[in-house]
Amino acid sequence: DTGVSQDPRHKITKRGQNVTFRCDPISEHNRLYWYRQTLGQGPEFLTYFQNEAQLEKSRLLSDRFSAERPKGSFSTLEIQRTEQGDSAMYLCASSSTTGGRGYTFGSGTRLTVV
Amino acid sequence: KNEVEQSPQNLTAQEGEFITINCSYSVGISALHWLQQHPGGGIVSLFMLSSGKKKHGRLIATINIQEKHSSLHITASHPRDSAVYICAVPSEGTSGSRLTFGEGTQLTVNP
Repeated sequence: DTGVSQDPRHKITKRGQNVTFRCDPISEHNRLYWYRQTLGQGPEFLTYFQNEAQLEKSRLLSDRFSAERPKGSFSTLEIQRTEQGDSAMYLCASSSTTGGRGYTFGSGTRLTVV
Repeated sequence: KNEVEQSPQNLTAQEGEFITINCSYSVGISALHWLQQHPGGGIVSLFMLSSGKKKHGRLIATINIQEKHSSLHITASHPRDSAVYICAVPSEGTSGSRLTFGEGTQLTVNP
């Protein structure tokens, strides 16, 4: 287990297209988080899962955004009808409610909407 | 919601200097994270601490829970330390919950 993996690393898409990102957390971590980071800012919380249940969604997560974690392992974040304002780094992190390796981040997916 | 403030926002140092970055938060917490982010985006967790001091190589993190304040120190700074350093605290006061982040401190170490 090499940590949290995100795919793709970079995505360039035209405005109006749909995009989907994937996150594979550390296998023993039951919590998975999505954050968004714009240039010069700290990350902002989007949503998180405990196992397969989505426990919290930020108001930043408009109805164009949807996240799933169907089997409590990997997660996907989909953005429909992308807008230029969606351009950001999308970060995934995982943690365990029972301690262990602590809070671990992926390398992020950088989305550019043109 | 926990508010997190970092200072300074930008810091330029000469190689070998001792660096201090400060973080203050508004609501009591069980643990605080210091993170490092290099150009290209990936975030690396440096420390998670709930009391006292932790040391890893040239990096030292301290926290004063009563004063709601933490510091990150870098001894004998090196150009490869140039990065954004981010302080983060749990939003719900538990170590496994979502994090609220400071805006980061951009550190540049010149040779």
